[in-house]
Amino acid sequence: NAGVTQTPKFRVLKTGQSMTLLCAQDMNHEYMYWYRQDPGMGLRLIHYSVGEGTTAKGEVPDGYNVSRLKKQNFLLGLESAAPSQTSVYFCASSYGTDSSYNEQFFGPGTRLTVL
Amino acid sequence: AQSVSQHNHHVILSEAASLELGCNYSYGGTVNLFWYVQYPGQHLQLLLKYFSGDPLVKGIKGFEAEFIKSKFSFNLRKPSVQWSDTAEYFCAVLGAGSYQLTFGKGTKLSVIP
Repeated sequence: NAGVTQTPKFRVLKTGQSMTLLCAQDMNHEYMYWYRQDPGMGLRLIHYSVGEGTTAKGEVPDGYNVSRLKKQNFLLGLESAAPSQTSVYFCASSYGTDSSYNEQFFGPGTRLTVL
Repeated sequence: AQSVSQHNHHVILSEAASLELGCNYSYGGTVNLFWYVQYPGQHLQLLLKYFSGDPLVKGIKGFEAEFIKSKFSFNLRKPSVQWSDTAEYFCAVLGAGSYQLTFGKGTKLSVIP
């Protein structure tokens, strides 16, 4: 099992460019999440999905879009990158919301720099 | 809205010292509580989790945490740290039945050999 994988690992963009980050999980998890991690801020939820074909906004959704066309994949898009989006992006997944199995498993992260 | 407060931004300890990292949360209902660890350059890994039962939870690598409901706290402890415990530690809260995990800002632990 690869768990949660993310591509790419690193990316440098210029202001105004667009890109898509890909997250894939092979654990048959229903729920998937995108977070950003900034120094001193912890992790903040950008968007999440509770199943194939569904998406919802998290704490800091502005400037990002997501899609979940397949259960195992969750894409995060930046349509017009801004320097404020320089961050480390983590994808996570979980099986459900029952307390017995609601822990989230994280991917290795994508370090994005916007110049 | 739920929130998590981690009191220590950076903790520096010598090897074999005991560790306690504070975590307080704010939430009006039943909670699940987590501690995650992030080693330098790596992704977050689950250390331990509380969801019901014994408020003293044992996790991996000798870590444990105690849930004190009256104090809204979930402090992380380890009796004797090692250099390999150098990492950033995040406390997180999840409302029961919810899926929106809220993280604290993290505590960086540096262990000096």
